[in-house]
Amino acid sequence: QKEVEQNSGPLSVPEGAIASLNCTYSDRGSQSFFWYRQYSGKSPELIMFIYSNGDKEDGRFTAQLNKASQYVSLLIRDSQPSDSATYLCAVNSGGYQKVTFGIGTKLQVIP
Amino acid sequence: DTGVSQDPRHKITKRGQNVTFRCDPISEHNRLYWYRQTLGQGPEFLTYFQNEAQLEKSRLLSDRFSAERPKGSFSTLEIQRTEQGDSAMYLCASSPLGGELFFGEGSRLTVL
Repeated sequence: QKEVEQNSGPLSVPEGAIASLNCTYSDRGSQSFFWYRQYSGKSPELIMFIYSNGDKEDGRFTAQLNKASQYVSLLIRDSQPSDSATYLCAVNSGGYQKVTFGIGTKLQVIP
Repeated sequence: DTGVSQDPRHKITKRGQNVTFRCDPISEHNRLYWYRQTLGQGPEFLTYFQNEAQLEKSRLLSDRFSAERPKGSFSTLEIQRTEQGDSAMYLCASSPLGGELFFGEGSRLTVL
Protein backbone atom coordinates (compact mmCIF):
# COMPACT_ATOMS: atom_id res chain seq x y z
CA GLN A 1 0.00 0.00 0.00
CA LYS A 2 1.37 3.38 -1.00
CA GLU A 3 1.70 5.93 1.77
CA VAL A 4 -0.17 8.62 -0.17
CA GLU A 5 -2.55 7.68 -2.98
CA GLN A 6 -4.01 9.87 -5.69
CA ASN A 7 -5.67 9.21 -9.00
CA SER A 8 -3.21 10.35 -11.67
CA GLY A 9 -6.01 11.60 -13.94
CA PRO A 10 -6.27 13.52 -16.11
CA LEU A 11 -9.29 15.16 -14.57
CA SER A 12 -11.00 17.40 -17.11
CA VAL A 13 -13.46 20.09 -16.04
CA PRO A 14 -15.03 22.95 -17.98
CA GLU A 15 -14.05 26.50 -17.16
CA GLY A 16 -16.10 27.86 -14.27
CA ALA A 17 -16.85 24.43 -12.79
CA ILE A 18 -15.71 22.98 -9.47
CA ALA A 19 -12.71 20.66 -9.62
CA SER A 20 -12.53 18.04 -6.88
CA LEU A 21 -9.21 16.37 -6.16
CA ASN A 22 -8.86 13.50 -3.71
CA CYS A 23 -6.12 11.86 -1.70
CA THR A 24 -5.90 9.05 0.85
CA TYR A 25 -3.05 8.27 3.19
CA SER A 26 -2.02 5.18 5.14
CA ASP A 27 -0.32 6.49 8.31
CA ARG A 28 -2.93 7.24 10.98
CA GLY A 29 -0.34 9.21 12.90
CA SER A 30 -0.01 11.81 10.16
CA GLN A 31 -0.34 15.32 11.47
CA SER A 32 -0.15 17.78 8.59
CA PHE A 33 -1.53 17.73 5.09
CA PHE A 34 -0.59 19.82 2.09
CA TRP A 35 -1.60 20.50 -1.47
CA TYR A 36 1.01 21.59 -3.96
CA ARG A 37 0.50 22.74 -7.53
CA GLN A 38 3.10 21.86 -10.15
CA TYR A 39 3.04 23.35 -13.62
CA SER A 40 4.77 21.39 -16.36
CA GLY A 41 8.54 21.84 -16.14
CA LYS A 42 8.34 23.75 -12.86
CA SER A 43 8.82 22.91 -9.20
CA PRO A 44 5.93 22.29 -6.82
CA GLU A 45 4.48 25.32 -5.03
CA LEU A 46 2.41 25.17 -1.87
CA ILE A 47 -1.20 26.26 -2.26
CA MET A 48 -2.95 24.93 0.87
CA PHE A 49 -2.21 23.22 4.15
CA ILE A 50 -4.57 21.79 6.74
CA TYR A 51 -3.95 20.32 10.18
CA SER A 52 -7.40 19.80 11.69
CA ASN A 53 -10.49 17.89 10.65
CA GLY A 54 -12.95 19.91 8.62
CA ASP A 55 -12.68 22.50 5.91
CA LYS A 56 -10.21 25.29 5.30
CA GLU A 57 -10.92 27.92 2.66
CA ASP A 58 -8.53 30.27 0.90
CA GLY A 59 -9.99 32.20 -1.99
CA ARG A 60 -11.20 29.73 -4.63
CA PHE A 61 -9.52 26.81 -2.85
CA THR A 62 -10.98 24.65 -0.08
CA ALA A 63 -9.05 21.85 1.60
CA GLN A 64 -11.01 19.18 3.45
CA LEU A 65 -9.60 16.72 5.97
CA ASN A 66 -11.20 13.63 7.48
CA LYS A 67 -8.69 11.88 9.71
CA ALA A 68 -11.06 9.04 10.61
CA SER A 69 -11.33 8.13 6.93
CA GLN A 70 -7.69 9.11 6.22
CA TYR A 71 -8.90 11.30 3.41
CA VAL A 72 -7.88 14.72 2.15
CA SER A 73 -9.46 16.65 -0.67
CA LEU A 74 -9.02 19.92 -2.54
CA LEU A 75 -11.86 21.79 -4.18
CA ILE A 76 -11.20 24.48 -6.74
CA ARG A 77 -14.20 26.69 -7.41
CA ASP A 78 -14.69 28.66 -10.62
CA SER A 79 -11.89 26.71 -12.31
CA GLN A 80 -9.78 28.69 -14.76
CA PRO A 81 -7.55 27.46 -17.60
CA SER A 82 -4.61 28.78 -15.55
CA ASP A 83 -5.48 26.15 -12.92
CA SER A 84 -4.43 23.43 -15.37
CA ALA A 85 -1.53 21.72 -13.62
CA THR A 86 -0.66 18.65 -11.57
CA TYR A 87 -1.88 18.79 -7.98
CA LEU A 88 0.24 16.92 -5.46
CA CYS A 89 -1.06 15.77 -2.12
CA ALA A 90 1.60 15.61 0.62
CA VAL A 91 1.48 14.24 4.12
CA ASN A 92 3.77 14.99 7.06
CA SER A 93 4.27 11.78 8.97
CA GLY A 94 6.88 10.17 11.10
CA GLY A 95 8.65 11.47 14.13
CA TYR A 96 11.19 13.40 12.11
CA GLN A 97 8.76 15.33 9.95
CA LYS A 98 9.21 13.32 6.75
CA VAL A 99 6.94 14.68 4.02
CA THR A 100 5.61 12.12 1.55
CA PHE A 101 4.01 13.00 -1.77
CA GLY A 102 1.43 11.25 -3.88
CA ILE A 103 1.80 10.75 -7.61
CA GLY A 104 -0.24 13.87 -8.35
CA THR A 105 -3.49 14.40 -10.23
CA LYS A 106 -3.31 16.19 -13.57
CA LEU A 107 -6.09 18.74 -13.90
CA GLN A 108 -7.18 20.10 -17.26
CA VAL A 109 -9.58 23.06 -17.31
CA ILE A 110 -11.25 23.30 -20.69
CA PRO A 111 -12.11 26.84 -21.88
CA ASP B 1 16.48 36.65 -4.24
CA THR B 2 15.57 35.05 -0.92
CA GLY B 3 14.18 31.75 -2.25
CA VAL B 4 15.78 28.32 -2.41
CA SER B 5 18.54 28.13 -4.98
CA GLN B 6 20.00 25.04 -6.58
CA ASP B 7 23.11 24.57 -8.65
CA PRO B 8 23.67 23.42 -11.31
CA ARG B 9 20.29 23.59 -13.00
CA HIS B 10 21.28 21.00 -15.56
CA LYS B 11 23.96 18.34 -15.49
CA ILE B 12 24.80 15.85 -18.23
CA THR B 13 27.25 13.17 -17.28
CA LYS B 14 28.49 9.80 -18.45
CA ARG B 15 27.62 6.63 -16.62
CA GLY B 16 30.09 5.91 -13.85
CA GLN B 17 30.97 9.53 -13.13
CA ASN B 18 30.29 11.28 -9.83
CA VAL B 19 28.04 14.33 -9.63
CA THR B 20 27.35 16.82 -6.86
CA PHE B 21 24.40 19.16 -6.46
CA ARG B 22 24.23 22.15 -4.15
CA CYS B 23 21.22 23.66 -2.41
CA ASP B 24 21.07 26.98 -0.59
CA PRO B 25 17.90 27.12 1.52
CA ILE B 26 15.93 30.11 2.73
CA SER B 27 18.14 31.47 5.47
CA GLU B 28 15.68 31.32 8.37
CA HIS B 29 14.56 27.75 7.61
CA ASN B 30 16.20 25.05 9.70
CA ARG B 31 14.82 22.07 7.78
CA LEU B 32 16.10 20.97 4.40
CA TYR B 33 14.80 18.16 2.19
CA TRP B 34 16.04 16.43 -0.93
CA TYR B 35 13.62 14.76 -3.34
CA ARG B 36 13.95 13.05 -6.70
CA GLN B 37 11.26 13.34 -9.34
CA THR B 38 10.88 11.50 -12.63
CA LEU B 39 8.34 12.20 -15.36
CA GLY B 40 4.80 11.43 -14.34
CA GLN B 41 5.68 10.73 -10.72
CA GLY B 42 5.43 12.71 -7.53
CA PRO B 43 8.55 13.83 -5.69
CA GLU B 44 10.23 10.85 -4.02
CA PHE B 45 11.73 11.51 -0.59
CA LEU B 46 15.51 11.03 -0.39
CA THR B 47 16.67 12.61 2.84
CA TYR B 48 15.96 15.30 5.42
CA PHE B 49 18.07 17.55 7.65
CA GLN B 50 17.19 19.56 10.68
CA ASN B 51 20.01 22.05 11.03
CA GLU B 52 23.15 19.99 10.38
CA ALA B 53 21.70 16.66 11.52
CA GLN B 54 20.57 14.19 8.86
CA LEU B 55 17.50 12.77 10.57
CA GLU B 56 16.15 10.43 7.93
CA LYS B 57 17.34 8.80 4.75
CA SER B 58 15.17 6.83 2.36
CA ARG B 59 15.72 3.10 2.29
CA LEU B 60 15.40 3.40 -1.47
CA LEU B 61 18.75 5.14 -1.60
CA SER B 62 21.76 3.04 -2.29
CA ASP B 63 25.16 3.69 -0.77
CA ARG B 64 26.03 5.66 -3.89
CA PHE B 65 24.02 8.63 -2.60
CA SER B 66 25.26 10.86 0.18
CA ALA B 67 24.12 14.20 1.47
CA GLU B 68 25.64 16.69 3.84
CA ARG B 69 24.64 19.95 5.42
CA PRO B 70 27.71 21.37 7.14
CA LYS B 71 26.98 24.04 9.75
CA GLY B 72 23.27 23.79 9.03
CA SER B 73 23.45 26.10 6.03
CA PHE B 74 23.76 24.91 2.43
CA SER B 75 23.52 21.24 1.53
CA THR B 76 25.15 19.00 -1.06
CA LEU B 77 23.87 15.81 -2.61
CA GLU B 78 26.50 13.58 -4.18
CA ILE B 79 25.83 10.63 -6.45
CA GLN B 80 28.76 8.33 -7.02
CA ARG B 81 29.17 6.01 -10.01
CA THR B 82 26.07 7.32 -11.72
CA GLU B 83 23.74 4.95 -13.53
CA GLN B 84 21.20 5.71 -16.25
CA GLY B 85 18.44 5.10 -13.73
CA ASP B 86 19.67 8.10 -11.75
CA SER B 87 18.44 10.44 -14.50
CA ALA B 88 15.82 12.62 -12.84
CA MET B 89 15.08 16.05 -11.44
CA TYR B 90 16.63 16.50 -8.01
CA LEU B 91 14.62 18.89 -5.92
CA CYS B 92 15.68 20.65 -2.77
CA ALA B 93 13.20 22.24 -0.39
CA SER B 94 13.54 24.13 2.85
CA SER B 95 10.96 24.44 5.56
CA PRO B 96 10.21 26.45 8.66
CA LEU B 97 8.87 24.69 11.76
CA GLY B 98 5.38 24.51 10.28
CA GLY B 99 6.37 21.87 7.77
CA GLU B 100 5.44 23.66 4.57
CA LEU B 101 8.05 23.04 1.87
CA PHE B 102 9.51 25.74 -0.34
CA PHE B 103 11.16 24.22 -3.37
CA GLY B 104 14.07 25.36 -5.47
CA GLU B 105 13.92 25.13 -9.25
CA GLY B 106 15.64 21.76 -9.24
CA SER B 107 18.74 20.22 -10.76
CA ARG B 108 18.09 18.06 -13.79
CA LEU B 109 20.48 15.13 -14.18
CA THR B 110 20.93 13.24 -17.43
CA VAL B 111 23.17 10.18 -17.34
CA LEU B 112 24.30 8.98 -20.75
